[in-house]
Amino acid sequence: EVQLVQSGAEVKEPGATVKISCKVSGYTFTDSYLHWVKQAPEKGLEWMGLVDPEDGKPEYAEKFQGRASISADTSTDTAYMELTSLTSDDTAIYYCAVIGATAGWGQGTLVTVSS
Amino acid sequence: DIVMTQSPDSLAVSLGERATINCKSSQSVLYSPNNENYLAWYQQKPGQPPKPLIYWASIRKSGVPDRFSGSGSGTDFTLTISSLQAEDVAVYYCQQYHETPFTFGPGTKVDIK
Repeated sequence: EVQLVQSGAEVKEPGATVKISCKVSGYTFTDSYLHWVKQAPEKGLEWMGLVDPEDGKPEYAEKFQGRASISADTSTDTAYMELTSLTSDDTAIYYCAVIGATAGWGQGTLVTVSS
Repeated sequence: DIVMTQSPDSLAVSLGERATINCKSSQSVLYSPNNENYLAWYQQKPGQPPKPLIYWASIRKSGVPDRFSGSGSGTDFTLTISSLQAEDVAVYYCQQYHETPFTFGPGTKVDIK
């Protein structure tokens, strides 16, 4: 069974950086891209980017280019998403996910940005 | 970017009746070399992460009840719940994974009438 387990909730001040982890199991980590998705309060789903764990190459939605950094550690089957220069607009639940036949989603990590 | 639209925004269906959700992409998500439509459907209940239901537009993920079915090709897709159950109350999203950014539709809320 595909499982993705994310790190816990974070509270950050404006301007800070947050880094969320996503540990996977139940499939071969390097066989599928690992995606990150944002869901702001009472809003829909927004694709942020992905990483190919096989070569570590990330790809970002234009909106998050330059502020998000997605990486993968194949020694621990864990992906990471770092978001810098946080503002109140970054308050959201962030999900890691695998898409397609091996689909699975993490439980979500709530990031609250508040002074 | 491929823009995904869904209709209706919300619908209320009686228990046991059919619910139909439409999803349209601004460009084709059919990849000709393998003849697959790169389109997925998800179900999200309050306070829970999205649950994958369908991939390749019509393939039900293991464990998903067979009352859920996906159809369509190219730019027009449909998710059908053949006999709505109380536990199907949720928001349903489509997503294209044909090209980045892998955009989602805005969601369709399904309720019991």
